[in-house]
Amino acid sequence: AAGVIQSPRHLIKEKRETATLKCYPIPRHDTVYWYQQGPGQDPQFLISFYEKMQSDKGSIPDRFSAQQFSDYHSELNMSSLELGDSALYFCASSSDLDTQYFGPGTRLTVL
Amino acid sequence: ELKVEQNPLFLSMQEGKNYTIYCNYSTTSDRLYWYRQDPGKSLESLFVLLSNGAVKQEGRLMASLDTKARLSTLHITAAVHDLSATYFCAVDKSGGTYKYIFGTGTRLKVLA
Repeated sequence: AAGVIQSPRHLIKEKRETATLKCYPIPRHDTVYWYQQGPGQDPQFLISFYEKMQSDKGSIPDRFSAQQFSDYHSELNMSSLELGDSALYFCASSSDLDTQYFGPGTRLTVL
Repeated sequence: ELKVEQNPLFLSMQEGKNYTIYCNYSTTSDRLYWYRQDPGKSLESLFVLLSNGAVKQEGRLMASLDTKARLSTLHITAAVHDLSATYFCAVDKSGGTYKYIFGTGTRLKVLA
């Protein structure tokens, strides 16, 4: 069965640079979620989209923005990167508020 | 604000033993989920509990939900080394908000 796809899988950036993470949800899933997981931490909700509209917002810094496109893929844009942004970023998708299925994650390292 | 707590945070157990992980949440919720995460990997869905008294079992793992007590348990029977991982519970806040609040996680290590 098709799973959530994320790219890139690994990303290394310098402080103050910009990063874009991409997520391709499971086909026919209408909701996409973004989570950030620091080392040894639980995943923290950032933002979600339902049918291409932002539906909920969590602890997402103002330096970050996200959108969902007409083909349902989503991108998380991160600007003015800080050392503390180093984390695993997961995208998840679901259908009709059912179980969220998580992608493999993007490991972002900010140097 | 919805808070989700798990205990214990760390659990080291011998193979063959039984143990229970607890997940408490602070406000009403319609659904509770259990996930497994191996180091550096994604979160794998284990169970979805949708109603009071729900019980689900898969292999050596059994999950239950008591919505009145706002408590879910994940019971491990006759643990094996392959169960070593971090286990998270997550709660979907009532009202159809589209996000999970995760528990703190329980890092399980099963010793051979």
